[in-house]
Amino acid sequence: DAGITQSPRHKVTETGTPVTLRCHQTENHRYMYWYRQDPGHGLRLIHYSYGVKDTDKGEVSDGYSVSRSKTEDFLLTLESATSSQTSVYFCAISVPDRVRGNEQFFGPGTRLTVL
Amino acid sequence: DQQVKQNSPSLSVQEGRISILNCDYTNSMFDYFLWYKKYPAEGPTFLISISSIKDKNEDGRFTVFLNKSAKHLSLHIVPSQPGDSAVYFCAAIPLTGYSSASKIIFGSGTRLSIRP
Repeated sequence: DAGITQSPRHKVTETGTPVTLRCHQTENHRYMYWYRQDPGHGLRLIHYSYGVKDTDKGEVSDGYSVSRSKTEDFLLTLESATSSQTSVYFCAISVPDRVRGNEQFFGPGTRLTVL
Repeated sequence: DQQVKQNSPSLSVQEGRISILNCDYTNSMFDYFLWYKKYPAEGPTFLISISSIKDKNEDGRFTVFLNKSAKHLSLHIVPSQPGDSAVYFCAAIPLTGYSSASKIIFGSGTRLSIRP
């Protein structure tokens, strides 16, 4: 358990509304990530952060923005939600490990439904 | 274009027998390969990894084999137990610095069902 929590755990919203998902970690890890999981696609990286105010795009960043004003919080925002953003969203942190290769630990996930 | 592919979406194995999950990749610049296990309504959890310089890594009932010439890796679970029923994701980490962000690339997953 890497002390990762996500909120909310479930959310239903309407197309065109803004949505913010929160990831909170308690162990001062530098690297944080947002993924989405969809059937047939596995997990795809949306954005990641390598420190406070330092973020970068992942594989599927269109339609998403992130912010990291504190080490412990990494926020994912859908400025105007669309039905294609219905998914399960996972936050993760990584711990550099010379043996296991930068293992990532995942939060419990947020199920988002956009109607 | 998927760089990490799991071509079997599902696999059913009898309890006590061996489960073999397969994964293919296209990028020769991956540094580490990992397997994650995921139960419903939970986040993925790390299972086992292998460095690109090795061809086998074993941890209890779990063994991962890497065939670099074929760009193929496999996870063997023996003996299979009911608690092994889950979705298994193959994943790969591109070659980066030790202290860099690890942008893991995941396969699409294989759902393993262990039947009594």
